[in-house]
Amino acid sequence: GQQVMQIPQYQHVQEGEDFTTYCNSSTTLSNIQWYKQRPGGHPVFLIQLVKSGEVKKQKRLTFQFGEAKKNSSLHITATQTTDVGTYFCAEGTGGGADGLTFGKGTHLIIQP
Amino acid sequence: NAGVMQNPRHLVRRRGQEARLRCSPMKGHSHVYWYRQLPEEGLKFMVYLQKENIIDESGMPKERFSAEFPKEGPSILRIQQVVRGDSAAYFCASSPRQSYSNQPQHFGDGTRLSIL
Repeated sequence: GQQVMQIPQYQHVQEGEDFTTYCNSSTTLSNIQWYKQRPGGHPVFLIQLVKSGEVKKQKRLTFQFGEAKKNSSLHITATQTTDVGTYFCAEGTGGGADGLTFGKGTHLIIQP
Repeated sequence: NAGVMQNPRHLVRRRGQEARLRCSPMKGHSHVYWYRQLPEEGLKFMVYLQKENIIDESGMPKERFSAEFPKEGPSILRIQQVVRGDSAAYFCASSPRQSYSNQPQHFGDGTRLSIL
């Protein structure tokens, strides 16, 4: 089945620094979704990208979908302690009756 | 609370026992998905159901695992004769229709299953 590779697995940053996580696929994705999971919590939907080259912003978060629809990134500007958690990308194959395929996630650890 | 409801939050079973995990989707949602998450790992898709129908169970282990979503009541994920390797967090998600139709999935709080 489809696989999405997500890097890095862990990212330590000082509070106030920027953070980026990358999601890559060997095949073209119909869409990509991003989720955040706090420690001990459940995944919470952040955004969905559908169009080639799409860029969406949510306050300090910027999401991009590559031109070839094979990669995506999430960038956080000036991290805050509330940003701590694991960020997952997930792809839906589109047209198929199956669930999402999740990357392994990037654990964001923020040092005050 | 109109969100996805899962119970129990924590479940402890001994090897060989049965585990039943329940999920009530969000109001108005007719599609239910079950995922399993091991520590420090992403979520692995298990099964996708609509009312009274299993649509895709390609992620379900071939033995001991079953799922249902009856006409009335919650969706049930059943694990028979549990083994230590079944210890994980099991998340249920729901959507108003299939996710390829650009609908996000809403997750419940999960059931943390521990096998002694």
